[in-house]
Amino acid sequence: GGIITQTPKFLIGQEGQKLTLKCQQNFNHDTMYWYRQDSGKGLRLIYYSITENDLQKGDLSEGYDASREKKSSFSLTVTSAQKNEMAVFLCASTRDSAETLYFGSGTRLTVL
Amino acid sequence: GDQVEQSPSALSLHEGTGSALRCNFTTTMRAVQWFRKNSRGSLINLFYLASGTKENGRLKSAFDSKERYSTLHIRDAQLEDSGTYFCAAGLSGSFNKLTFGAGTRLAVCP
Repeated sequence: GGIITQTPKFLIGQEGQKLTLKCQQNFNHDTMYWYRQDSGKGLRLIYYSITENDLQKGDLSEGYDASREKKSSFSLTVTSAQKNEMAVFLCASTRDSAETLYFGSGTRLTVL
Repeated sequence: GDQVEQSPSALSLHEGTGSALRCNFTTTMRAVQWFRKNSRGSLINLFYLASGTKENGRLKSAFDSKERYSTLHIRDAQLEDSGTYFCAAGLSGSFNKLTFGAGTRLAVCP
């Protein structure tokens, strides 16, 4: 089996700060995703990547950047943290678009 | 508008009883996946279905793309089944972009 590791588990930042969330997977999966979960809502897609150096925008990409430097890692940057985006950010991966999605345990973002 | 409508939003069950969660889709979906979020925040895969039904222990799921719904049945509920359950579905031809339901918060009581 494999695992998806997200760091940090908890991230506290100041309003306007640039913050980076990291995700590593050892499944050797091609596709990786970043989702955001707000309390009481479903997950919404921020960015995804189908291979190294590829980036595709999701429904919620404004205010975020992403980077797929290598197949095993996918990072997400909040370009200017805002108080209304305090949420849990979930990273996921899949071997291809028709396969089971595997998730990390999330990064909880708090903006002061 | 929302493409995945999940119900109920919250559910309370006594140990040993059962119930069903449902997701209705406003358009034809290619496949559906069910997850449970546990107390540590991890999303656990339960089922992936492109059609038909699957069963695993006390859980059973069904997906009907034509009728635009999926269900997750829980029988003989146990305390450790408590958590939030999500369905997620992919549009035909673009399963990369999954749309999630808002979740069902299940509490199993002694």
